[in-house]
Amino acid sequence: GQQLNQSPQSMFIQEGEDVSMNCTSSSIFNTWLWYKQDPGEGPVLLIALYKAGELTSNGRLTAQFGITRKDSFLNISASIPSDVGIYFCAGLNYGQNFVFGPGTRLSALP
Amino acid sequence: DVKVTQSSRYLVKRTGEKVFLECVQDMDHENMFWYRQDPGLGLRLIYFSYDVKMKEKGDIPEGYSVSREKKERFSLILESASTNQTSMYLCASSLLAGVVYEQYFGPGTRLTVT
Repeated sequence: GQQLNQSPQSMFIQEGEDVSMNCTSSSIFNTWLWYKQDPGEGPVLLIALYKAGELTSNGRLTAQFGITRKDSFLNISASIPSDVGIYFCAGLNYGQNFVFGPGTRLSALP
Repeated sequence: DVKVTQSSRYLVKRTGEKVFLECVQDMDHENMFWYRQDPGLGLRLIYFSYDVKMKEKGDIPEGYSVSREKKERFSLILESASTNQTSMYLCASSLLAGVVYEQYFGPGTRLTVT
């Protein structure tokens, strides 16, 4: 079946730093979604992308739909402590169900 | 704002019990989903429904059944709970309008089967 890979698997963030992560697939998708999940909670939708090359922002978050339609990127600018959590990507082709990545875990530097 | 609610945040059940997990969404979405989430395995689709009284098997339907009698409510049933069904269960509903396809999750139910 379709698989999504997310990179990095985990990273430490320092307040004020910019953070980048990506999601890649061997298949093309028509829609990319990005979610954040806090411990013990359900994923919260952050950004939805519908068109190759599209760049969409939500506050300090910016996501891009890759030109090849096989990848997507999420950037967080000027990170703050509450950005800690797990970020998931999800890809969709029409008529099929969402495929989810394994997540990128952001943790705060001690 | 879209709201997806789940009947319980935490449940503890005994092996062999019948377990009902309820999910309600308030946005008139046609599609509803049940996933389970386990460390290292990610989100796995159990069942989904694209209309009232309609249901489709996902990737891991064994040991589960579902019911959708009303558009806003989608129930997951564990006919005879087993310890390997201990997991985080997530309900979701989705909006499909033209090319817009967004899926929204509930807060999750952490089920422990002892």
